[in-house]
Amino acid sequence: SQTIHQWPATLVQPVGSPLSLECTVEGTSNPNLYWYRQAAGRGLQLLFYSVGIGQISSEVPQNLSASRPQDRQFILSSKKLLLSDSGFYLCAWASGPYEQYFGPGTRLTVT
Amino acid sequence: DQQVKQNSPSLSVQEGRISILNCDYTNSMFDYFLWYKKYPAEGPTFLISISSIKDKNEDGRFTVFLNKSAKHLSLHIVPSQPGDSAVYFCAANNNAGNMLTFGGGTRLMVKP
Repeated sequence: SQTIHQWPATLVQPVGSPLSLECTVEGTSNPNLYWYRQAAGRGLQLLFYSVGIGQISSEVPQNLSASRPQDRQFILSSKKLLLSDSGFYLCAWASGPYEQYFGPGTRLTVT
Repeated sequence: DQQVKQNSPSLSVQEGRISILNCDYTNSMFDYFLWYKKYPAEGPTFLISISSIKDKNEDGRFTVFLNKSAKHLSLHIVPSQPGDSAVYFCAANNNAGNMLTFGGGTRLMVKP
C-alpha cells in the first residue's frame, strides 16, 4: 500500500531564515505530487505540483519554491521566510487526475 | 474567482441526526467531485467521490448527491456521530488537468 511522509511535523523559524520541508511517497511510481498550504481558519491553497522529476508548476507567486529531485521526493523551500508564510503545509500524491492522498502535514510558525 | 464554494462555514447537528453539507461550483467542465474530511493538525482524508455521469454515490453512512443542472453537490451523513466532527472540503476536477479545485470547507460539529 502507499504511504506518504512529511517532516518535520512542526517547525518554528524566525523571519528571514531559510526553509526546507520534505515529502516522500512509498509504494507507487511516478506519482503526481502537490504542495498545499492551509492558513489559520482558511481553505487549501495549492502552491506547487509536479508530474515528474524536475517538472514543477507554480500556482501562486511567492517567496517559496519547490523541487523534485527524485521520483517520490518533493521538497518545499524558501531562502527567506516571511511572517505570512506561517501555516499548515500539506503534501499530497495522486496516480491520476482525481483522488489525491494527503500526508500528515507540517505546522510552520514564523516568528 | 472561486470555482468551488462551500457557503456554510459551519454546521451543528445532534448525534444520530442527518448532516447535510453543501457545495456549489461554477465550472461546467468539472466532471468529477470529491469530499474530504480533515481533523485539526492532520492531513485531509478522502471520503467519497462521484463522477458526473452519476447523480448519487453511497458508501456506508456517507452519500454524495450531484445535481449537474444546478451545479450543486451535497454530502449526507446518516446517522451523524461525534467522531464526524471535522472540517469537510469538497473538490472538483476534469480529466484534462491534474489539479483539484477545493472549496473553503465547512466545519461540522456533532453534539452528543
